[in-house]
Amino acid sequence: GIQVEQSPPDLILQEGANSTLRCNFSDSVNNLQWFHQNPWGQLINLFYIPSGTKQNGRLSATTVATERYSLLYISSSQTTDSGVYFCAVLYSGGGADGLTFGKGTHLIIQP
Amino acid sequence: GAVVSQHPSWVICKSGTSVKIECRSLDFQATTMFWYRQFPKQSLMLMATSNEGSKATYEQGVEKDKFLINHASLTLSTLTVTSAHPEDSSFYICSARDGGRTYEQYFGPGTRLTVT
Repeated sequence: GIQVEQSPPDLILQEGANSTLRCNFSDSVNNLQWFHQNPWGQLINLFYIPSGTKQNGRLSATTVATERYSLLYISSSQTTDSGVYFCAVLYSGGGADGLTFGKGTHLIIQP
Repeated sequence: GAVVSQHPSWVICKSGTSVKIECRSLDFQATTMFWYRQFPKQSLMLMATSNEGSKATYEQGVEKDKFLINHASLTLSTLTVTSAHPEDSSFYICSARDGGRTYEQYFGPGTRLTVT
């Protein structure tokens, strides 16, 4: 099946810093989503971005499908940005319609 | 828009009993729903895909007789964990796709199952 690798696995930053999270995938995809999992386990949809660039406030994301990677940018980090960020993809070559998740990036923003 | 709910949010049951978890799309029709499982400090793993009115498709290694999935309507899917054992304790999360407009999935808040 398709492989999804996220880096870095852990990231500790001071409030106000910027960060870049990376997601590499091994094959072509129909779907790529970024999520923030809050402390209660809820997955918050950040971006649906199988290709191109999107921005939402302090967050932006870029997916370069031909090179099989996506980047999530967080600017001016706040303590509420802490949590686990997951990248998930849907392989375009058929088979299951469910998402394959990366192992996540655990982000800690210190005040 | 695109809200998915789950009930219950947490449940504790005794070993050998069965537990049913409901997943509802509140403001859209979901032709396809998905069930994932997440163990502590790990990522989400797809368990099964269900399409309204048809049998679920289970991922390799997931026991279909243990995890019964029913997708009886365009807004409701249920997961029943039968004869639960402590190793079934996990966080179960459902998601739904909105009628095939895009491949985007919307996730419920999850159900934390503890089997004693």
